[in-house]
Amino acid sequence: EIVMTQSPATLSVSPGERATLSCRASQSVSSNLAWYQQKPGQAPRLLIYGASTRATGIPARFSGSGSGTEFTLTISSLQSEDFAVYYCQQYNNWPPEYTFGQGTKLEIK
Amino acid sequence: QVQLVQSGAEVKKPGASVKVSCKASGYTFTSYDINWVRQATGQGLEWMGWMNPNSGNTGYAQKFQGRVTMTRNTSISTAYMELSSLRSEDTAVYYCARAVAGTRGVGYWGQGTLVTVSS
Repeated sequence: EIVMTQSPATLSVSPGERATLSCRASQSVSSNLAWYQQKPGQAPRLLIYGASTRATGIPARFSGSGSGTEFTLTISSLQSEDFAVYYCQQYNNWPPEYTFGQGTKLEIK
Repeated sequence: QVQLVQSGAEVKKPGASVKVSCKASGYTFTSYDINWVRQATGQGLEWMGWMNPNSGNTGYAQKFQGRVTMTRNTSISTAYMELSSLRSEDTAVYYCARAVAGTRGVGYWGQGTLVTVSS
């Protein structure tokens, strides 16, 4: 079973600054990685898939990078609405299988 | 537009079973896998398994094998997730979800169903 580890658990950043979130896979997942944003009381929202492709409607300030076992989500200039919990997720094409990281809480500094 | 509408909250006793439904609209139900993900209060997301609505094929996370069953009724575009032998640790919000076309990114989510297991 592939284990996804996110760091840090909590990240405190000021609005307007850059945030960098990390995700590590216990074995290579190629580029089969997605990032999600979740706000309290809401379902997760897909941000990035294929490690670096923004989902429809996602602002350009969100970018993903990495492949293999090391991945990064960067938010270039934090807006107030960006403070939330972020999850990475790996997916296996066949058989279909998903594994989430434990999440990074992005909070206002 | 794609919509996944789930059944309402449930309260169950330990040892019982729960069946959550997920009605799809806005697309061809049999064309996309349905996944089930749960989230305990204040905790992270946990993938439970998938179902192909066309074939009925399923795959379950190892943790849930033997306790979860995913089925569907194609005539009403509805998927179901049944979890048996409930225990308090199963108290969570359960989501059905679907990937975006051509990707494995899960871009469409139901509103979630709270299942509370309590004696």
